[in-house]
Amino acid sequence: QKEVEQNSGPLSVPEGAIASLNCTYSDRGSQSFFWYRQYSGKSPELIMFIYSNGDKEDGRFTAQLNKASQYVSLLIRDSQPSDSATYLCAVQNYGGSQGNLIFGKGTKLSVKP
Amino acid sequence: GAGVSQSPSNKVTEKGKDVELRCDPISGHTALYWYRQRLGQGLEFLIYFQGNSAPDKSGLPSDRFSAERTGESVSTLTIQRTQQEDSAVYLCASSLGAAGNTIYFGEGSWLTVV
Repeated sequence: QKEVEQNSGPLSVPEGAIASLNCTYSDRGSQSFFWYRQYSGKSPELIMFIYSNGDKEDGRFTAQLNKASQYVSLLIRDSQPSDSATYLCAVQNYGGSQGNLIFGKGTKLSVKP
Repeated sequence: GAGVSQSPSNKVTEKGKDVELRCDPISGHTALYWYRQRLGQGLEFLIYFQGNSAPDKSGLPSDRFSAERTGESVSTLTIQRTQQEDSAVYLCASSLGAAGNTIYFGEGSWLTVV
């Protein structure tokens, strides 16, 4: 059973701090990794994707991938109350089932003003 | 279209009735996904289409659920003899292809079975 694990939270950080969201996956053949943000009552929206080991930065967001450890993370710098949402990690194996894409259950982030 | 379009956006139905949910993917996207999300829960995979074929139906929860896709475009998810446990938001997503492409979600169809 291929799995994607996330701490359900809630993760609470003060405004302006760095929020660190973590995700581990069981399928070593996974090739693409995605972070989605989902506000309450809304559909998921893509924040970032990463394919290669290392860091990828986009504005206040940095995705980090370590395939050897089967670990992917998302850092949010200068956290804002508007970042309060559930963050979903998704992992893709091009030869896998579920259309190759498996989602974690999400981590709820709360940024306190 | 500009994004994934789903209809109806909200549906209230009586227990035992059949419902049809429609998804119109982004133009040119060959891969189409259906997910279910109960209140406060994670995404539950239902079915995946590549073109008009469904190589992965493993997530359909029972034989009351079926889906089809025609013309490599619109997909319909049908729930027969609805039960209260079917109440959820049904999310459709699409991507250019299954390998290494980002999937984009529609706004969902909120189903309430009373």
